[in-house]
Amino acid sequence: DSGVTQTPKHLITATGQRVTLRCSPRSGDLSVYWYQQSLDQGLQFLIQYYNGEERAKGNILERFSAQQFPDLHSELNLSSLELGDSALYFCASTEQGLNTEAFFGQGTRLTVV
Amino acid sequence: GNSVTQMEGPVTLSEEAFLTINCTYTATGYPSLFWYVQYPGEGLQLLLKATKADDKGSNKGFEATYRKETTSFHLEKGSVQVSDSAVYFCALSDKSNYQLIWGAGTKLIIKP
Repeated sequence: DSGVTQTPKHLITATGQRVTLRCSPRSGDLSVYWYQQSLDQGLQFLIQYYNGEERAKGNILERFSAQQFPDLHSELNLSSLELGDSALYFCASTEQGLNTEAFFGQGTRLTVV
Repeated sequence: GNSVTQMEGPVTLSEEAFLTINCTYTATGYPSLFWYVQYPGEGLQLLLKATKADDKGSNKGFEATYRKETTSFHLEKGSVQVSDSAVYFCALSDKSNYQLIWGAGTKLIIKP
């Protein structure tokens, strides 16, 4: 158990809809990263938050947004969903330290039909 | 900018074979280097790490040495098992901005 919790584990929704993915980081970790992993693809970095503030953006579409709340949990909002958004979405958390070891959740598998 | 390059997969080996998965990096400064493993249907988990040049990380029979002169962090195991079948990711941490830079991942298939 990594200590990072993601909900829901599975999500099936229709094109054009909006969904929210939730992540609770490991206790004490201030940084949260969101990644997208499509079938047979590597990890695509979407966005990073540190202590409530956006720190870095990767290949995140304008239809996607995220935030980190005062209790440090984070939500990834995906809107106007397309078939191509079907993927595994991972959340990872890290300490604010030199090693920056990342702890991953089990992921949310999103299927857009 | 910083980057990580891994050998392309899939890599297919027989049980008890010797494994090497190559990883090279480009970075300014002195990053920490990591190998993560993703078993089927699971999230990523840290396999081993090294935080400075010449450090050797090891875990579960896997080893990797931080080679600054060749900017490499190759993953090795002397005798692989079917249970080692997974996707392996090499990564580095940019200490200047706490970003994690990931390789594309290498799928390893071990046949009995």
